[in-house]
Amino acid sequence: DADVTQTPRNRITKTGKRIMLECSQTKGHDRMYWYRQDPGLGLRLIYYSFDVKDINKGEISDGYSVSRQAQAKFSLSLESAIPNQTALYFCATSDPRSGGADTQYFGPGTRLTVL
Amino acid sequence: DQQVKQNSPSLSVQEGRISILNCDYTNSMFDYFLWYKKYPAEGPTFLISISSIKDKNEDGRFTVFLNKSAKHLSLHIVPSQPGDSAVYFCAASEGANSKLTFGKGITLSVRP
Repeated sequence: DADVTQTPRNRITKTGKRIMLECSQTKGHDRMYWYRQDPGLGLRLIYYSFDVKDINKGEISDGYSVSRQAQAKFSLSLESAIPNQTALYFCATSDPRSGGADTQYFGPGTRLTVL
Repeated sequence: DQQVKQNSPSLSVQEGRISILNCDYTNSMFDYFLWYKKYPAEGPTFLISISSIKDKNEDGRFTVFLNKSAKHLSLHIVPSQPGDSAVYFCAASEGANSKLTFGKGITLSVRP
């Protein structure tokens, strides 16, 4: 079974709709992240959480919100989707106890299309 | 301002030859550097990392070189294999266990 799962894997929605992307992990990691990938722009950080009570904005948080329901669950919401939020979204986790570089483990991604 | 730069969007090499993927950074506070590989329809996977106290780290066919004075790192893959064809992301962080800043990625194609 995958350590980091994302649902749904694909979603097509319309402008103005509220969308929630969910991420679950079985790695027991405290830290979780949401990124989006756009062609030619790489991976950009939307939000991150270092533990259940900690939520931080990344470089492109406008138009998004998150909820850390438990250590294992971190969801991303688009309150009112717009077409330029069409992208590939990735959830990731990491373990600060490992020391050194913050090696992150990524889920398989959610492809979101906003029409 | 882009702090981690992968200026070449793509690279094509012959199977068996060396692949050299380059990455430049502007933030002198970065002290950990990582490479991730990403196949289509999958999430990125960690490949190799290096801290700023080293100038080289090797793991099998993969070696990362760090030149702090030039703020440059490179990933060498020797020998290259068709299965290495993927997008490679360079990433950096300030301090241990700090959040990562990613480059735009480079698409490597290894021709049989």
